[in-house]
Formats: sequence, C-alpha cells, structure tokens
Amino acid sequence: ETGVTQTPRHLVMGMTNKKSLKCEQHLGHNAMYWYKQSAKKPLELMFVYSLEERVENNSVPSRFSPECPNSSHLFLHLHTLQPEDSALYLCASSQESPSGRPDTQYFGPGTRLTVL
Amino acid sequence: KNQVEQSPQSLIILEGKNCTLQCNYTVSPFSNLRWYKQDTGRGPVSLTIMTFSENTKSNGRYTATLDADTKQSSLHITASQLSDSASYICVVSFNTGGFKTIFGAGTRLFVKA
Repeated sequence: ETGVTQTPRHLVMGMTNKKSLKCEQHLGHNAMYWYKQSAKKPLELMFVYSLEERVENNSVPSRFSPECPNSSHLFLHLHTLQPEDSALYLCASSQESPSGRPDTQYFGPGTRLTVL
Repeated sequence: KNQVEQSPQSLIILEGKNCTLQCNYTVSPFSNLRWYKQDTGRGPVSLTIMTFSENTKSNGRYTATLDADTKQSSLHITASQLSDSASYICVVSFNTGGFKTIFGAGTRLFVKA
C-alpha cells in the first residue's frame, strides 16, 4: 500500500444525493490533491491543498466542494452531480519543497463513482 | 501550447520481451519528468523522476531516459512480466512563474503469456 487511503472504494449515487469522499495520508506530507480520471482521458487535476490552504482550483464546478481540515485528511463533498461526473476520483499527497517544485506524488487507490 | 504526448496508445507484447514507451513534450521551461505505472482500478505508482541534468534513471527492470534537447523521454521495460500489464503515464512539470504539471494520456501495455 502507498500510505494513502481512500473511502469508499466504490460509490453509486443519484443526481439529488449528497455524499463525501474521504482521503487520508499517513506519510507526513504537506500537500494533498484531488484528481478526476475518466475513461481514456488524462488525469485531470481538480484541487490542490498545500499546508492545508487551497492553492489551486482548476475551474471545477461548484457541485464539487473540497475540505482539508488538517494536513492528513482531505474530503471531496459531492452534491447534485451529473452522470458525466462518473469517473475514478484519485487522491494524492506529496512533500512540497520550499521552491514549490513538484515532486513525486503518492496516490490512493481511488473511489469509483457512478452517478445515475 | 504546453502538451505531453505518449505513444503508442496501446501495446501488446509477449512475456519475456522488451518494449519501449515514448513521451514527447513541448512544455517550457522544463522542471522535471516522472513516469508512473497504474494498474487497472488502482492509483498510479511512481517509477522514476528525472530533472534537467539527468538523462537516465533505472528502477529494477524499468529504465527511463530523458533528452531535454529534443524534449523526449522513453521508458524501457526489460524482460516483461505479466504483472507489467498496466497503463504507463508520463508527467511533466514546468515553471512559468509558478509550477504547473501536465499528465500524458498514458500507454496501455498488455503482456501476454
């Protein structure tokens, strides 16, 4: 295991439901990420948190709401999703250097989300 | 336009054979390049990371090369095993007043017995 855990591993929800994805890293890293991976498309960066502050939001719809209560935990709150939001949602963490240069990211196993 | 392109899109090889995956990028100024392996239904796992000054790095049967002049990288897999069946993703970071990262679409490798 990589030291990054995600729950649940699978989630099926209706368009009117509210659910949350959870990520926890046990590596002592200071940065955490949410990615969306759709079939046959590159990983899409959704949110970046560095030292518990959101530093990047790549124009993600407001129906996705991240929360980072501390450096080890990251949540993605979901509400009023659309069928096209069905994808694998991956969490990752890394130790960001003082220069900010990206380093190796450690990924969790992902949550397979299906929106009906 | 900053891009990362990987080829081939998919590849089928016999167990025990070698193969080479390609990654071409147009980002500038270059910071580092990483190769990840992603098994089906799992998160990506880092294989190698290379900066501008490094032109080769190995991790077991995986050897990555980098030519910063031509902006090309390759991942060579030696004596392939069934467990090498996965997607291999090239990731390039660059610095334009702040670091950005672009993920390639990946090469899907199938190793057959």
